[in-house]
Amino acid sequence: ETGVTQSPTHLIKTRGQQVTLRCSSQSGHNTVSWYQQALGQGPQFIFQYYREEENGRGNFPPRFSGLQFPNYSSELNVNALELDDSALYLCASSLGLAQTGELFFGEGSRLTVL
Amino acid sequence: QQPVQSPQAVILREGEDAVINCSSSKALYSVHWYRQKHGEAPVFLMILLKGGEQKGHEKISASFNEKKQQSSLYLTASQLSYSGTYFCGTEDRAAGNKLTFGGGTRVLVKP
Repeated sequence: ETGVTQSPTHLIKTRGQQVTLRCSSQSGHNTVSWYQQALGQGPQFIFQYYREEENGRGNFPPRFSGLQFPNYSSELNVNALELDDSALYLCASSLGLAQTGELFFGEGSRLTVL
Repeated sequence: QQPVQSPQAVILREGEDAVINCSSSKALYSVHWYRQKHGEAPVFLMILLKGGEQKGHEKISASFNEKKQQSSLYLTASQLSYSGTYFCGTEDRAAGNKLTFGGGTRVLVKP
């Protein structure tokens, strides 16, 4: 069983730039959620994708956008980067919308904005 | 609104017990518990769906009091491997695991 993988693991950008983070979900999982985790804090929900459609969004501005592909992998895009966007970005996959169940997290992409 | 966890940090000796609390201002449908070790992904521990029902994971158990909108995580006879940051995540309805996480409780178990 393949776990959740994210890339890149670390990256450094400057303010105003754009970034794309990638996530491969666990085999058989059709739902991907993205979380932002600032240093020393709990993960904050960004949005969720189910079968290529956005299914819920947290309190993040429109410059945070995403995609889910037919193989259920996903991308998180952030435009016009700000210093406060520096964080660990976690992807989590799960099975189905109707079920309350385990989230399988990747190890994250650590973004530093200078 | 983010659930509130307490304490923020706890230091234990191996074999000691600890309780981590998670309180919400909203009525809860479910409470999820995760543990994250430094530099690693959060790992699922358990979900609680019904009030008063306890779940267990090794010597880690939890309870969920719907009326008080609270959950507690019990670390019993702690082991070195229990060190990490524990997060509760809550849902106010069946929403496909779109969790609101607390700020975390750092646990350090010393020999």
